[in-house]
Amino acid sequence: DQQVKQNSPSLSVQEGRISILNCDYTNSMFDYFLWYKKYPAEGPTFLISISSIKDKNEDGRFTVFLNKSAKHLSLHIVPSQPGDSAVYFCAASGGTQGGSEKLVFGKGTKLTVNP
Amino acid sequence: IAGITQAPTSQILAAGRRMTLRCTQDMRHNAMYWYRQDLGLGLRLIHYSNTAGTTGKGEVPDGYSVSRANTDDFPLTLASAVPSQTSVYFCASSRETNTGELFFGEGSRLTVL
Repeated sequence: DQQVKQNSPSLSVQEGRISILNCDYTNSMFDYFLWYKKYPAEGPTFLISISSIKDKNEDGRFTVFLNKSAKHLSLHIVPSQPGDSAVYFCAASGGTQGGSEKLVFGKGTKLTVNP
Repeated sequence: IAGITQAPTSQILAAGRRMTLRCTQDMRHNAMYWYRQDLGLGLRLIHYSNTAGTTGKGEVPDGYSVSRANTDDFPLTLASAVPSQTSVYFCASSRETNTGELFFGEGSRLTVL
């Protein structure tokens, strides 16, 4: 059973437009959520995170929204740039319920930003 | 440049052979992890270590072993490789053990024939 789901394997957007990547989770004990970005032939890199006590966290062009009642989070990239083309992984952890070894990743969404 | 170094970058291995993937970090992070990435399955935790001298099993530990003799090194060993262990392996570390903010190496691509 998948605890963290990224239902869209791929997403294509035009440069300058908004990219919205979605993630759903099933475990109500998750209280910390992260997004990682991965370029081909490189390791994933941490992008942005949000604690369950917040519903929004913003860092430059990247904003993560958390809807706890729907068990849903999304990553918004505005404006999208060709360099944002990568695979994005959503991840969730149990925070005080467990350490980083309890981190659960989604399967990833491949974002392509077209010039 | 500080970070995580993995070796080898790529390896082709005959089934039944023993293989050790090396991982070294110079950030003095206490926690280290090994993940495998497979198409359509995302990242899955194999083993982890919250501090030198301790290790734990992740989601997919079978066929793998790890050791953590010191803070910097966290090798992953396949005692007798099988084709289903063909994957890209990522080593990671974290400063804290309760946030999920990991630093990843660039990966080791392993093909078992």
